[in-house]
Amino acid sequence: QKEVEQNSGPLSVPEGAIASLNCTYSDRGSQSFFWYRQYSGKSPELIMFIYSNGDKEDGRFTAQLNKASQYVSLLIRDSQPSDSATYLCAVKGDTNAGKSTFGDGTTLTVKP
Amino acid sequence: GAVVSQHPSRVICKSGTSVKIECRSLDFQATTMFWYRQFPKQSLMLMATSNEGSKATYEQGVEKDKFLINHASLTLSTLTVTSAHPEDSSFYICSAGSGSKLFFGSGTQLSVL
Repeated sequence: QKEVEQNSGPLSVPEGAIASLNCTYSDRGSQSFFWYRQYSGKSPELIMFIYSNGDKEDGRFTAQLNKASQYVSLLIRDSQPSDSATYLCAVKGDTNAGKSTFGDGTTLTVKP
Repeated sequence: GAVVSQHPSRVICKSGTSVKIECRSLDFQATTMFWYRQFPKQSLMLMATSNEGSKATYEQGVEKDKFLINHASLTLSTLTVTSAHPEDSSFYICSAGSGSKLFFGSGTQLSVL
C-alpha cells in the first residue's frame, strides 16, 4: 500500500462544474497536508495547505481534511479550462519544513 | 510565497559529460533542500535531501557517486549529474522549505544524446 494514494484519473468535468479530488494517507501521525498543481512540463506549485480537521477555503479552492478517516480532498468550484493540470497531494509528519510524501497525482481536464 | 530559482531550465548534452544544476532560495534561507526527478507522465521521485554544511541523504536506489549534491550555503544547493547517459534524461526539480511549506524551482529538463 502506498503511503499517499490518489486516483490517477483522468478526471474530466465540464467548465463551471465542481471538480473533486481525493487523497488518502496511511500515516496517522501526519500533521500537514498540501495540494500542488502541476502543468505539463512545469514544476509543482503550492495551491492549498491544511493542518486542522475541517474545511479551508481560498477563492475557488476548498481543502477538506478528516484525520479520523485519513483523507484530504480538494474541491475546485466553477472549474475553468485553465484548471486542467495534474494535482498532487502531499503529506508531512510535522508542521516544519521538511520531506513531504507525494501521491502520484490526479490529472484533471476541464472541458469548455 | 517564497521564491526558489533553478538554473538552467534546459540542458542538452552529449553522453559522458557532466551537468550541474543550481537551486537557489532567493528570499529565505534553506538549511534543507530536496532534489526530485520526474519522468514523463509519472510522479515526483525524491532523489535526495540536501543539508547545508553536511552530506546529502540519498533515497534508496539513487547512486550518490553519480548524482553529486553540494549544499555549500544557506541559499544554494547544486546537483551534478556525472557522466550522464541517455537514461538520465529527465525533468529534475529542486525544492526548499520555508516555514512549513515547500516551494519548488522551475525545473531542469535534461536531455542526454
